[in-house]
Amino acid sequence: SQTIHQWPATLVQPVGSPLSLECTVEGTSNPNLYWYRQAAGRGLQLLFYSVGIGQISSEVPQNLSASRPQDRQFILSSKKLLLSDSGFYLCAWSVGPIATGELFFGEGSRLTVL
Amino acid sequence: AQRVTQPEKLLSVFKGAPVELKCNYSYSGSPELFWYVQYSRQRLQLLLRHISRESIKGFTADLNKGETSFHLKKPFAQEEDSAMYYCALKSSNYQLIWGAGTKLIIKP
Repeated sequence: SQTIHQWPATLVQPVGSPLSLECTVEGTSNPNLYWYRQAAGRGLQLLFYSVGIGQISSEVPQNLSASRPQDRQFILSSKKLLLSDSGFYLCAWSVGPIATGELFFGEGSRLTVL
Repeated sequence: AQRVTQPEKLLSVFKGAPVELKCNYSYSGSPELFWYVQYSRQRLQLLLRHISRESIKGFTADLNKGETSFHLKKPFAQEEDSAMYYCALKSSNYQLIWGAGTKLIIKP
């Protein structure tokens, strides 16, 4: 069966420090991968998605970047964190495009920037 | 503009009472809508999709194009229905537009 792992689950970082959140999917090949930010009272905001290795599409210009070095690995990064980067980040995958609307989510990573 | 609105941040009902979680959308094409649920300490997961016209865990949702709504309903609430519910609209092959979510609390 397919599983998705996301880590770290919790992260506290100072302003200006780098960030790396990692997500891996097991049990499937060539998944579409997504990074979302979930803000309280504001739903989910799509940050990046990837349809293949090295292919990244950015939905919202910001202080973050994403990379997909391997088929089932998706990394969310920042060179210098801002206070506004604090939030709850979710990785997700889908079988090809969202034809059926089903996304499979990780457990999330809570980032606090101080 | 494409938008999903869930007007209630919090909905509290008694066990056994009917539940209706509201969702309204704005979309120029033919909409595809979904309900996702997140139970306490669990992952966000798909509950149902309108094209399937299915009933999951007693919940149903009917697409009303005239009212641009996709309300989630259940005739008799159970305590295990307490969760966060999100309505989502497919806007492209890679993008879901999400509502802000409604926290449903079922009181015993």
